[in-house]
Amino acid sequence: DTGVSQDPRHKITKRGQNVTFRCDPISEHNRLYWYRQTLGQGPEFLTYFQNEAQLEKSRLLSDRFSAERPKGSFSTLEIQRTEQGDSAMYLCASSSPTSGTRGSQFFGPGTRLTVL
Amino acid sequence: SQKIEQNSEALNIQEGKTATLTCNYTNYSPAYLQWYRQDPGRGPVFLLLIRENEKEKRKERLKVTFDTTLKQSLFHITASQPADSATYLCALGVYNTDKLIFGTGTRLQVFP
Repeated sequence: DTGVSQDPRHKITKRGQNVTFRCDPISEHNRLYWYRQTLGQGPEFLTYFQNEAQLEKSRLLSDRFSAERPKGSFSTLEIQRTEQGDSAMYLCASSSPTSGTRGSQFFGPGTRLTVL
Repeated sequence: SQKIEQNSEALNIQEGKTATLTCNYTNYSPAYLQWYRQDPGRGPVFLLLIRENEKEKRKERLKVTFDTTLKQSLFHITASQPADSATYLCALGVYNTDKLIFGTGTRLQVFP
């Protein structure tokens, strides 16, 4: 499978714990995005990378959230001191500016986080 | 304020009919607009992209229109099938950023 992969698919944690999610984009894609989606809503942008550079961060991304893409390939999203309001589906997507459908993003299956 | 609105109520149609979904936006100047399909528990899947200077795009049974004066996009599925049942999301792409701004989605149910 050459699509976007995310790990884990599900994570249950207690409030106050730290969690880390991983995203592996499509191999030739240099742009990688993180979104958060809650029930009944569309995905909300969190941050994105071009290669290893983090180009934009949403105001939704509080100081407890940090994302990295150290070698321009996979990315991690860490949430420190989780709160119940962090419960959501965390989606990763990737894109290539040189693709025929420039602007389209290819999403992974998501990581569902539940904070108890 | 900036808003992207899609019908929050589910759209129920009979197999074989044409489904038409609406996406309206305010206070955005999009460079392009995209439509995605999302099944429960899965990530969105890209369907079609239409740019600000394009009026219509087609792909198989799918058609998208984009009216920047009305600030509206319509998404049509012709000869709908039960397998088309899903949530459909519209997303705006604006200048100077690669992020997408999504609507809340419309759930489509096609019954036999």
